[in-house]
Amino acid sequence: EVHLVESGGGLVQPGESLRLSCEASGFSFSNYEMNWVRQAPGKGLEWVANISAIETVTNYAPSVRGRVIISRDNAKNSLYLQLISLRVEDTAIYFCASGRLCTNVGCSGAAYFRHWGQGTLVSVSS
Amino acid sequence: DIQMTQSPSTLSASVGDKVTITCRASQTIRSNLAWYHQKPGKAPKVVIFEASISEGGVPSRFSGSGSGTEFTLTIASLQPDDFASYYCQQYNVYPWTFGQGTKVEVK
Repeated sequence: EVHLVESGGGLVQPGESLRLSCEASGFSFSNYEMNWVRQAPGKGLEWVANISAIETVTNYAPSVRGRVIISRDNAKNSLYLQLISLRVEDTAIYFCASGRLCTNVGCSGAAYFRHWGQGTLVSVSS
Repeated sequence: DIQMTQSPSTLSASVGDKVTITCRASQTIRSNLAWYHQKPGKAPKVVIFEASISEGGVPSRFSGSGSGTEFTLTIASLQPDDFASYYCQQYNVYPWTFGQGTKVEVK
């Protein structure tokens, strides 16, 4: 059974940084593109970033580009999101989610989010 | 960015009703669309991908249709567990974007 478990959220002040983690099990993590998706309290879903299986390709939403860094450690079956210079509007639950299957020539197939973690809450407030 | 617009934003229905939710894209996304179901306090779950393919384990009462810019999610006979929020998501062009959501509530 696939499990994705996020951690690292918390209450921070504007301008501070935070590093989120997502530990994966139950599937071949190193073969899959991985994503972060967030949801502000009472609001809809927003895709944040993704990273290909062997870290060669990253993509970011315009709203966070330059302020977040997505990375992964396939040896540890872990995905990370470094949040920099946090703003009040970054307050949200951050979910990690699995994406497409990747090979050595790239990721292909339907890029929907098949498996999700339970999320970790990031609150930015002074 | 591709804008995804869902309608209605809220839908009131009863158990057994047939329910249809619409999602419109601001430009063509071919069939690169997924639908998710989310209960309060829980992570979303994929229901449909590639506009019309049901994810494994999803009840047959859920179906999706459409291509290009107009898509629908239909629940043939609403069940108690179906009262939730539903989101469409395009994955044709970065950045991937979601609709604003449709809340299906008890009438």
